Amino acid sequence: DGGITQSPKYLFRKEGQNVTLSCEQNLNHDAMYWYRQDPGQGLRLIYYSQIVNDFQKGDIAEGYSVSREKKESFPLTVTSAQKNPTAFYLCASSMGGFSNQPQHFGDGTRLSIL
Amino acid sequence: GEDVEQSLFLSVREGDSSVINCTYTDSSSTYLYWYKQEPGAGLQLLTYIFSNMDMKQDQRLTVLLNKKDKHLSLRIADTQTGDSAIYFCAGGGNTGKLIFGQGTTLQVKP
Repeated sequence: DGGITQSPKYLFRKEGQNVTLSCEQNLNHDAMYWYRQDPGQGLRLIYYSQIVNDFQKGDIAEGYSVSREKKESFPLTVTSAQKNPTAFYLCASSMGGFSNQPQHFGDGTRLSIL
Repeated sequence: GEDVEQSLFLSVREGDSSVINCTYTDSSSTYLYWYKQEPGAGLQLLTYIFSNMDMKQDQRLTVLLNKKDKHLSLRIADTQTGDSAIYFCAGGGNTGKLIFGQGTTLQVKP
């Protein structure tokens, strides 16, 4: 089945540690996105990529980094500079990189601080 | 800036209709979307409407768009307990990015 796979489902971070969240899609979509969701809030865009080897900062990029070396993969690293990383992280993809294409989401990764 | 707003909570009885409302500020949105999120899961695309349409019906779902008032609604007919979830509306901003509302929690009582 085509879809978006995020792993792991749960992740724990120690102080001063970088952690990487995986996102893989087999939908042959060009664009991929990372969002952060906090309780009672909507989704906030962290980073997005419209094409391989290119990505742009979203609204809350500080403390995060990404790479897009392959079309299928868009990993997100939460660095130690992100002081409040506890949240639910959602990866999405779409055929094109604009809002006239619906975005399809993975099942999310819940990150907590140890 | 661009903004999308929704009421936070709606409670209905099983079998009733639910209407979830959304207002947006950016009139340049080409499409407007409704997503459903169940506990601990990602967002599932429910339906979407093109900005030159007033209404779209898809089985139990009806989307109404009032462009003049920048108001979007999602009606769920014959609401079931399985419809209990958080519902997000989203529209495209003039930057091309999707802007999401805060989400409406729908509670369906048996």
